[in-house]
Amino acid sequence: AQTVTQSQPEMSVQEAETVTLSCTYDTSESDYYLFWYKQPPSRQMILVIRQEAYKQQNATENRFSVNFQKAAKSFSLKISDSQLGDAAMYFCAYRILILTGGGNKLTFGTGTQLKVEL
Amino acid sequence: DAGVIQSPRHEVTEMGQEVTLRCKPISGHNSLFWYRQTMMRGLELLIYFNNNVPIDDSGMPEDRFSAKMPNASFSTLKIQPSEPRDSAVYFCASSLTGGNIQYFGAGTRLSVL
Repeated sequence: AQTVTQSQPEMSVQEAETVTLSCTYDTSESDYYLFWYKQPPSRQMILVIRQEAYKQQNATENRFSVNFQKAAKSFSLKISDSQLGDAAMYFCAYRILILTGGGNKLTFGTGTQLKVEL
Repeated sequence: DAGVIQSPRHEVTEMGQEVTLRCKPISGHNSLFWYRQTMMRGLELLIYFNNNVPIDDSGMPEDRFSAKMPNASFSTLKIQPSEPRDSAVYFCASSLTGGNIQYFGAGTRLSVL
């Protein structure tokens, strides 16, 4: 079974600084997707960024970028120029590429609570 | 599009009562997912449908839980009878079958007293 591990329950960052959230996963599959979702106090789950395992290039979305290390099964999220609105719970998630059976479901990590300080 | 719509946003009920949570997926999406979020277990998949057919219900905790998708635009998750340990936030999400992004609703916070 696939597992996703986020070893940092809480992180803090100063406004305008950079922070990196860690995620590791365990899978025997070679093709899969990885995601970072953000959950602010409003409770809404918002997709931040996604990465296809077959792509070597790290995904980037504005101030958010990932460091995807397939061999190490590591998928960290870097937030640059942190803003107060970035304060939220961040979840790393995994999905296999094959769509048959249960292939479409997401497996989530336990989350990292990010605090942004003035 | 209005996104995934869940109702109610909050539900408070007493132990033993029946609870029904509702979800309207994004129009055109043919995969629908129900997740439960608790402090102890995090986010866990309960069941998911593809083209209105349940594909994987291995996450449904017990017979008290049931889910239906009578058509492409509506799904329900029912708990009967409810218990205090069912208190959680329940999320519905939808996606295209071939798509790799799941879009989440705002969730229903259920409190069973």
